[in-house]
Amino acid sequence: NAGVTQTPKFQVLKTGQSMTLQCAQDMNHEYMSWYRQDPGMGLRLIHYSVGAGITDQGEVPNGYNVSRSTTEDFPLRLLSAAPSQTSVYFCASSNDPEETQYFGPGTRLLVL
Amino acid sequence: DQQVKQNSPSLSVQEGRISILNCDYTNSMFDYFLWYKKYPAEGPTFLISISSIKDKNEDGRFTVFLNKSAKHLSLHIVPSQPGDSAVYFCAAGGGGSNYQLIWGAGTKLIIKP
Repeated sequence: NAGVTQTPKFQVLKTGQSMTLQCAQDMNHEYMSWYRQDPGMGLRLIHYSVGAGITDQGEVPNGYNVSRSTTEDFPLRLLSAAPSQTSVYFCASSNDPEETQYFGPGTRLLVL
Repeated sequence: DQQVKQNSPSLSVQEGRISILNCDYTNSMFDYFLWYKKYPAEGPTFLISISSIKDKNEDGRFTVFLNKSAKHLSLHIVPSQPGDSAVYFCAAGGGGSNYQLIWGAGTKLIIKP
């Protein structure tokens, strides 16, 4: 049981490049979410999904897209990277949004 | 506008003593609160939670207290151990937040041997 996995662990992008951050969970959780963590700030919700085919915006969705074609996977796409998107990104999953969320190890992204 | 605030960026406590981490919130509609612990280069892990219908929840060395009238919660760790050195986040949810947890900025706890 791997829990929540994220790839890559670290990525450097140039401004304007696009990329996809991968997230997968093997706990059959319906709820999945993406957060970003910036220095001196708490985790901020980017997008979330309550089940396959259903996604919605969180607090800071601009510049990011998501899709949920399967229960297991919830990729986060950066359409055109900007230096303001330099951050650590965490994916999380749970049975229910009001239950304990299980986090992946994070992806550290640097946009130059 | 920060709805959940952790006003102490860091806290240093002697091993064996009590660690008290504080969290304040502004939205009286929140109906559950959680504490997460985070080690460097890892994701946060759940520690303990409390519903707004309670004022205390205990799990081993960890106790969370909720004071709804003051919109304040605290996490007590007794006794503090070196492995408790980490960043602690409080988060709040419910009350129409539409599946979103609102997180504080975190407090870095350092346990001194």
